[in-house]
Amino acid sequence: SQQGEEDPQALSIQEGENATMNCSYKTSINNLQWYRQNSGRGLVHLILIRSNEREKHSGRLRVTLDTSKKSSSLLITASRAADTASYFCATVRKGGSEKLVFGKGMKLTVNP
Amino acid sequence: DAMVIQNPRYQVTQFGKPVTLSCSQTLNHNVMYWYQQKSSQAPKLLFHYYDKDFNNEADTPDNFQSRRPNTSFCFLDIRSPGLGDAAMYLCATSRRDGYYNEQFFGPGTRLTVL
Repeated sequence: SQQGEEDPQALSIQEGENATMNCSYKTSINNLQWYRQNSGRGLVHLILIRSNEREKHSGRLRVTLDTSKKSSSLLITASRAADTASYFCATVRKGGSEKLVFGKGMKLTVNP
Repeated sequence: DAMVIQNPRYQVTQFGKPVTLSCSQTLNHNVMYWYQQKSSQAPKLLFHYYDKDFNNEADTPDNFQSRRPNTSFCFLDIRSPGLGDAAMYLCATSRRDGYYNEQFFGPGTRLTVL
């Protein structure tokens, strides 16, 4: 069953703008991960944040995690047309196995 | 480059005709997963292997089976495909080493059922 819920479900912005995507989840987690999927392709791992971390950066990506609110956000700065894709958050449950539970995903469109 | 390879990329089968999708990896990861993804939906985990241990999801239909003959290869068998089984099938791998780590996905196999 899906645990994560991305918000908004679709976002359209202009190149150069920042894009923020939010994810909420329901159970205690071991870690939370963000993935990108270009149309008709496999998923690409972007960033992993563990439950004892609050913020992580990777290039133009910034992820925050608030375990008290069971939420995470992904910020993409200075967006490019190539960032157009679907983005999924996924969680590994605390005390669970190596399974990922995916959210429904969010479609980001970056207009040139 | 180390990677996850899926063959074929596109598979067309007939209603009820068994089909096998394959996945191989050069990452030497101990966990391999199979997901089903339908249009505009999130990937849905069908099952996964941790080494040789098979873990089936409770809601995976019996029509779906899997084999992992060695570390590098994993197969998805659909015994009697129905129209509802048309989807993208994604294989993924991860390394479990005391931590739960990220998953590496293959490009997927798009299955069409006629």
